[in-house]
Amino acid sequence: KAGVTQTPRYLIKTRGQQVTLSCSPISGHRSVSWYQQTPGQGLQFLFEYFSETQRNKGNFPGRFSGRQFSNSRSEMNVSTLELGDSALYLCASSFRGDNEQFFGPGTRLTVL
Amino acid sequence: GEDVEQSLFLSVREGDSSVINCTYTDSSSTYLYWYKQEPGAGLQLLTYIFSNMDMKQDQRLTVLLNKKDKHLSLRIADTQTGDSAIYFCAEIFYNQGGKLIFGQGTELSVKP
Repeated sequence: KAGVTQTPRYLIKTRGQQVTLSCSPISGHRSVSWYQQTPGQGLQFLFEYFSETQRNKGNFPGRFSGRQFSNSRSEMNVSTLELGDSALYLCASSFRGDNEQFFGPGTRLTVL
Repeated sequence: GEDVEQSLFLSVREGDSSVINCTYTDSSSTYLYWYKQEPGAGLQLLTYIFSNMDMKQDQRLTVLLNKKDKHLSLRIADTQTGDSAIYFCAEIFYNQGGKLIFGQGTELSVKP
């Protein structure tokens, strides 16, 4: 069974730009969660989607948004990038959300 | 409240046992997880324990859960240099979809 895939793996953007990250979950999994990992704040929950509906959202500004498609693939978007958005963005795939979550390799975003 | 605490560093000799500790504050969590992260990689799910269990063994890994003290530990038997990584404990709540709350991570260094 293929694992969780994330594209792109690396991104370099400048302040003010916007970015879209993609996550393809494990086949059959309907829940996709997104996390931000930084050295200072650690791993923080962004949001979770289940069957195209956002079920939970973390404490991030509205510049961070996401969506999920009917095939369970998910995208997250960050608009008006700030230097502090530089981080490793991880997505996790789960059958129903509240059980085992399997992570992808992450997208390393650098904002200059 | 939602808070998971871990010690930041642990150093052991190859062949010794490693014990990584974690405390959590919310007793309503349903699953508790241990993840491993190697440099530049995503999170690898090592093992998990359901909140109504006290212990779970999986090959070299033993998880102990003390619900009274809200204490979780991961024991790695016969630690190898390949076990050097950052280990995260995390909890999840039944009524909050896919929201994982992570500890800060424990950096395990295994010396030959």
